[in-house]
Amino acid sequence: EAQVTQNPRYLITVTGKKLTVTCSQNMNHEYMSWYRQDPGLGLRQIYYSMNVEVTDKGDVPEGYKVSRKEKRNFPLILESPSPNQTSLYFCASSLLGTFGETQYFGPGTRLLVL
Amino acid sequence: AQTVTQSQPEMSVQEAETVTLSCTYDTSESDYYLFWYKQPPSRQMILVIRQEAYKQQNATENRFSVNFQKAAKSFSLKISDSQLGDAAMYFCAYLNAGNMLTFGGGTRLMVKP
Repeated sequence: EAQVTQNPRYLITVTGKKLTVTCSQNMNHEYMSWYRQDPGLGLRQIYYSMNVEVTDKGDVPEGYKVSRKEKRNFPLILESPSPNQTSLYFCASSLLGTFGETQYFGPGTRLLVL
Repeated sequence: AQTVTQSQPEMSVQEAETVTLSCTYDTSESDYYLFWYKQPPSRQMILVIRQEAYKQQNATENRFSVNFQKAAKSFSLKISDSQLGDAAMYFCAYLNAGNMLTFGGGTRLMVKP
């Protein structure tokens, strides 16, 4: 089944403890992206990647890192999480990242930072 | 930067009736795409319908259709014959030429049996 997977689905952590949320897609997509969803704000883009070893900032990149060493994986790294990073996170992918392509979303990761 | 506004935080519809969700956006671009995504309680983001800005014809997908008014920068979603399974958060989204997707704040749709 073609899909985008994220792990973990739920995570509770404490301020300052480094964490990684994994994202993987099995559709051979070039383009991958991370979003965070907060009440009343919809989804906002954190980082995106057009292909392997190419990443760029979205609207809200502060406090996050990403890497794209393989086409299928695009982990989101929080080096020193803070309570304002408590949110619902979505990974998404599309075939080539060309204009107009539909992005397919993972199931989301709910993060709580205490 | 583009902005997307959904002015209805919540909407309610009777089962089998029709409901329209509003979305407006602000842009100076002439070519772009618009989407409606559905987010049920499972939190999965599901594509409902998409519209290409250069196409005048409104997109339709079964019971879902849009009213795209480019000059007014309006992109409303009409759901006909509403079903209980339609209850969800609905997000309007704008895709610019740089492939950045901007979402509105969402509308929670409740369907009454």
